[in-house]
Amino acid sequence: QVQLVESGGGVVQPGRSLRLSCAASGFTFSSYGMHWVRQAPGKGLEWVAVISYDGSNKYYADSVKGRFTISRDNSKNTLYLQMNSLRAEDTAVYYCAKEYCSGGSCPPAADPWGQGTLVTVSS
Amino acid sequence: QSALTQPASVSGSPGQSITISCTGTSSDVGSYNLVSWYQQHPGKAPKLMIYEVSKRPSGVSNRFSGSKSGNTASLTISGLQAEDEADYYCCSYAGSSTFGVFGGGTKLTVL
Repeated sequence: QVQLVESGGGVVQPGRSLRLSCAASGFTFSSYGMHWVRQAPGKGLEWVAVISYDGSNKYYADSVKGRFTISRDNSKNTLYLQMNSLRAEDTAVYYCAKEYCSGGSCPPAADPWGQGTLVTVSS
Repeated sequence: QSALTQPASVSGSPGQSITISCTGTSSDVGSYNLVSWYQQHPGKAPKLMIYEVSKRPSGVSNRFSGSKSGNTASLTISGLQAEDEADYYCCSYAGSSTFGVFGGGTKLTVL
């Protein structure tokens, strides 16, 4: 079965960096785009970034553009989110999710999702 | 990009039907038949319930249906059951520069 496991979250000071990872299994990782979506404590979902199956296309929410970088290593079945210049408002649970339709034919549908990893930005 | 607008809460009794609206703009909901709906139970990851406005992933009950008119998409749940109590989020494609935008979420209470 499809499994997505995020890691790398933790407490970090404002202005510092953190890299999240998402280990994928149970499907052909190199055939699907992947998303990062976050949820601040007690708040709604916010789409963060998406990367195409081969890494050639990347899109970001305005709130993270220029600070976050999404990437993938298809040889390791792993998705990444490099987060720089972190701010208090970046505090959230970060979920990775698999593109639902292969080839990106039905954006932004994503399923399944991982269990999430909590990032807390605080001094 | 502003979030899509959803009611903060809706409620219904078991067996009834409810509808959750999701209002966007001509730049997102109104321009693309690419609206998704997610169900999220407390402390759990979201689950895809509807994609491309009205399509159901395999395994999702046919009590869940989606539709769209103009800039507003809707999720209807018929034959409400206790396990449907959850938060529901809509999400629309908004073009290659913005990609995806979520609604603020709707808390469904089954009375």
